[in-house]
Amino acid sequence: SQQGEEDPQALSIQEGENATMNCSYKTSINNLQWYRQNSGRGLVHLILIRSNEREKHSGRLRVTLDTSKKSSSLLITASRAADTASYFCATDPFGGNEKLTFGTGTRLTIIP
Amino acid sequence: NAGVMQNPRHLVRRRGQEARLRCSPMKGHSHVYWYRQLPEEGLKFMVYLQKENIIDESGMPKERFSAEFPKEGPSILRIQQVVRGDSAAYFCASSPADSGANVLTFGAGSRLTVL
Repeated sequence: SQQGEEDPQALSIQEGENATMNCSYKTSINNLQWYRQNSGRGLVHLILIRSNEREKHSGRLRVTLDTSKKSSSLLITASRAADTASYFCATDPFGGNEKLTFGTGTRLTIIP
Repeated sequence: NAGVMQNPRHLVRRRGQEARLRCSPMKGHSHVYWYRQLPEEGLKFMVYLQKENIIDESGMPKERFSAEFPKEGPSILRIQQVVRGDSAAYFCASSPADSGANVLTFGAGSRLTVL
């Protein structure tokens, strides 16, 4: 399996519910980032969590990082129809080779 | 601030033709990355460039693919003698030099279709 795998691959929830996506990775990291991609568009950076952080918040987003398990989760609270998109985690590896490795993504559908 | 500009947005080529994709990084950014995305898949790293230098091309096929980022002008990803398997969305991203955290700003992508 590849560095950065999201789980589940697809998720459909009712508007107003919370959505949780998980990401697992393999190597040591400097930081882990989450990006969103709307259909037919480029990726947009959402949030970054450093390797020495365990939790971070930004608006309705909450990210956790467990370096011992090499995993992260993204929680979107009070989902909206506009949150419908694909969500990718990306790892910035320790050692500074300066390229992000992206996971396979979770396709989130918010049902109005 | 125009962000990362990619063109063309859509490109159709017949097998054996050449495809040239252009990327102008965000103003003030000197690092450029190219990624490829197949339908319903994640992004695969292809190449990382700084002005006039290829830093990492470990994700780029050895044949038919090349990239450059000249001193003046946009970065160009060139695919020679395209085959159907090259059909994909190609995304360019940029970041500032020595940003500490490697946060990427992406363009809208160039979608290549090979007939």
